[in-house]
Parts: sequence; C-alpha cells; structure tokens
Amino acid sequence: QKEVEQNSGPLSVPEGAIASLNCTYSDRGSQSFFWYRQYSGKSPELIMFIYSNGDKEDGRFTAQLNKASQYVSLLIRDSQPSDSATYLCAVTLTGGGNKLTFGTGTQLKVEL
Amino acid sequence: DVKVTQSSRYLVKRTGEKVFLECVQDMDHENMFWYRQDPGLGLRLIYFSYDVKMKEKGDIPEGYSVSREKKERFSLILESASTNQTSMYLCASRNLGGFGYTFGSGTRLTVV
Repeated sequence: QKEVEQNSGPLSVPEGAIASLNCTYSDRGSQSFFWYRQYSGKSPELIMFIYSNGDKEDGRFTAQLNKASQYVSLLIRDSQPSDSATYLCAVTLTGGGNKLTFGTGTQLKVEL
Repeated sequence: DVKVTQSSRYLVKRTGEKVFLECVQDMDHENMFWYRQDPGLGLRLIYFSYDVKMKEKGDIPEGYSVSREKKERFSLILESASTNQTSMYLCASRNLGGFGYTFGSGTRLTVV
C-alpha cells in the first residue's frame, strides 16, 4: 500500500463548478497535511495546509481532514480554467520529522 | 519574497559524467531537500539535510551524493551519470516548524 494515494485523473469539471480532490494516507500517526498545485513544466507551489480535523478555508479553496478515516481532500469552488493543474497531496509521516511524502498527484482540467 | 534558486533550468550530460546540481535559498532555512520527479512516480526524496554539514539519505539515494558546506547551499552530485537518472530534479527548503516547503524552479536533466 502506498503511503499517500491519489487518483491520477484527469478530473474534468466545467468552469464554475466545484472540484473535489481526494487523498488517502496509510500512516495513522501523520500530523501535517499539505496541498500543492503544479502547473505543467513548473515546480509545486503550496496552496493549503491543515493539521486539525475538520475544514479549513482560504478563498476558493477548502481543505478537509478526517484523521479517523485517514483522508484529506481539497475543494475548489467556482473552478476557473487557470485552476487546471496537477494537485499534489503531501503528508508528514510519523517519525519523519520535516520530510514530506507526496502522492503522485491528480490532474484537474477545468473546461470552458 | 522567499526564494530557492536552482542553478540550471535544463541540463544535458553524457553517461559517466559527474554532474553537480546547485540549490541556494535566501530564507535562512535549516532544512533542505532534493527530490526527483518522474511521470507516474511522483516526487521521490533523494537526500535531505537538517543543518550545515548534516545529510541523510532519502528513499532513493543510490547513485547520488550531497554536500552542504553553507546553510544556504545544498548541492546534489551524480557521481557517474546514467540514463536512468534523466529526470526533473527539485530542490526545496523549509524552516523549523515552518509550513510546508518552498521549491526551486527545478532542473530538467537529460543524460545521453
């Protein structure tokens, strides 16, 4: 079982819709969770982080964490074509210190 | 604005060459990391460093070494480049207790 799993996609949503990206992780002791956005040919950029169960909102983005079920999700409201990118989920594993373990990413396509 | 600079955007090297990839950060971060990113495999950790002159192996250290003589600079060395080291190499840094990584722009290395 991979430590961090994401559906590779592509996930296609129409402009203005809500995009829902999901990530599951295997280490029950994981404490910190991050979402990165990566445009084609570019490096990842941090868009959200979450440490506690529940929801965290930042503009059009909402991160949701459920430690009991070991999943973290990212919702993007009012999706725009500029949101088309690969979204990487990253987790700090127990005993991993400051190292992040990444999923392979979900490609999101927002269609006009 | 925080910055992580990788010396080369694109690099082409021959099999057997010794290759140096340089990474410099201007944020006084303690932690620095080298990842490689390949399609379908995501980001995989090669080496990381928690402080000057300290280094630890990541998940795929074979064929690589690193050097951190100054806090701001973390170098990745391919001792004898091989074609299976053709990849995108990403450097990142993080402050102690910081929120996620800041990535450099990446170096796309091709070994021929």
